[in-house]
Amino acid sequence: GNSVTQMEGPVTLSEEAFLTINCTYTATGYPSLFWYVQYPGEGLQLLLKATKADDKGSNKGFEATYRKETTSFHLEKGSVQVSDSAVYFCALVNNAGKSTFGDGTTLTVKP
Amino acid sequence: EPEVTQTPSHQVTQMGQEVILRCVPISNHLYFYWYRQILGQKVEFLVSFYNNEISEKSEIFDDQFSVERPDGSNFTLKIRSTKLEDSAMYFCASSRELSTDTQYFGPGTRLTVL
Repeated sequence: GNSVTQMEGPVTLSEEAFLTINCTYTATGYPSLFWYVQYPGEGLQLLLKATKADDKGSNKGFEATYRKETTSFHLEKGSVQVSDSAVYFCALVNNAGKSTFGDGTTLTVKP
Repeated sequence: EPEVTQTPSHQVTQMGQEVILRCVPISNHLYFYWYRQILGQKVEFLVSFYNNEISEKSEIFDDQFSVERPDGSNFTLKIRSTKLEDSAMYFCASSRELSTDTQYFGPGTRLTVL
């Protein structure tokens, strides 16, 4: 079956540091890939997505590129802010619409 | 911007009781989903629903669970006889297309089974 493996957390960074959260996947077919963010006590918000190989998703300074050759979708941001503190989930959606999520990575950004 | 809504935000119930969690998907979406997230764990797929039928379900979605679209706007998840291990956050989601389209998530219902 499909699976998503995320970099283990928690991750603690200082403000303005560079962020990378690794995500690799195993899937049959051609899934779409997503990053969701969950702030404390809230639901899942779509952060960015990519629907095919070599696509780059970007939003709010975050970026991730769909790499079919390495089956990866790593999340990056050049300069994090305190307000970026949240849990980040990598996910894929297969052709049947079923989402598979990674375990989530907790990011804490300190001033 | 249209969004998925869920009620109630928090439901407390006694073990063995039935609960119904409600969702209003985005109005022009045709595909609906339920997920759950046990505290501190990953989000898990439960079921997808289209054209008044279940499209796919996970092994978690056993006979205790059922889904329904009773009218043109609501999408419900029923748990017939709740167990302690059903305590979790339940998320509803909807999408325009089934395939690999973006699923938009509601804010969730926190279910606590005592």
